[in-house]
Amino acid sequence: KAGVTQTPRYLIKTRGQQVTLSCSPISGHRSVSWYQQTPGQGLQFLFEYFSETQRNKGNFPGRFSGRQFSNSRSEMNVSTLELGDSALYLCASSLAAGMNTEAFFGQGTRLTVV
Amino acid sequence: AQSVTQLGSHVSVSEGALVLLRCNYSSSVPPYLFWYVQYPNQGLQLLLKYTTGATLVKGINGFEAEFKKSETSFHLTKPSAHMSDAAEYFCAVSVLRGGADGLTFGKGTHLIIQP
Repeated sequence: KAGVTQTPRYLIKTRGQQVTLSCSPISGHRSVSWYQQTPGQGLQFLFEYFSETQRNKGNFPGRFSGRQFSNSRSEMNVSTLELGDSALYLCASSLAAGMNTEAFFGQGTRLTVV
Repeated sequence: AQSVTQLGSHVSVSEGALVLLRCNYSSSVPPYLFWYVQYPNQGLQLLLKYTTGATLVKGINGFEAEFKKSETSFHLTKPSAHMSDAAEYFCAVSVLRGGADGLTFGKGTHLIIQP
């Protein structure tokens, strides 16, 4: 069974640009969550999607958005990139909504903003 | 809101020695608790979780953790450290309040294994 796949693995963007990251969950998993990991702030919850609906959102500005497709694949978008957006972005998938079920994480997308 | 505190950003133990990584949580409702491990340039892997029931939880790779409500703790232990245990460890909490929250993670503890 394939794991959670995140593409691309590495990305370099310039301040002011926008970026789209992709996450393919484990087959059969309908819930996808996104996290930002930085050395200073650690792991922070961005948002969770289930059945194409955003169920929860963390404390991030509106520049961060996401969506989920009917096949459960998810994308997150960051507009007007800032240097502070440089981070490892992790996607997690789980069978059901709510994080009391086991979440399986992808390897992440390393975003560098220059 | 819930929070997690991991005591010690770095912990160093000798190979074969006891591993103890400390985690304390704050939650106004009964929590679900998790320990994850992260190897360099990798995502997070679940070691173990506590939801309800038995307070001593056994996980993968010989790790276990005990939920102590009176101490609001969920410390991770392993009787004998192995070189392959060197990694970053994260404690996390989740609560259900009508809708589900995402996981709230601690800052992480970097485990160093001395030969």
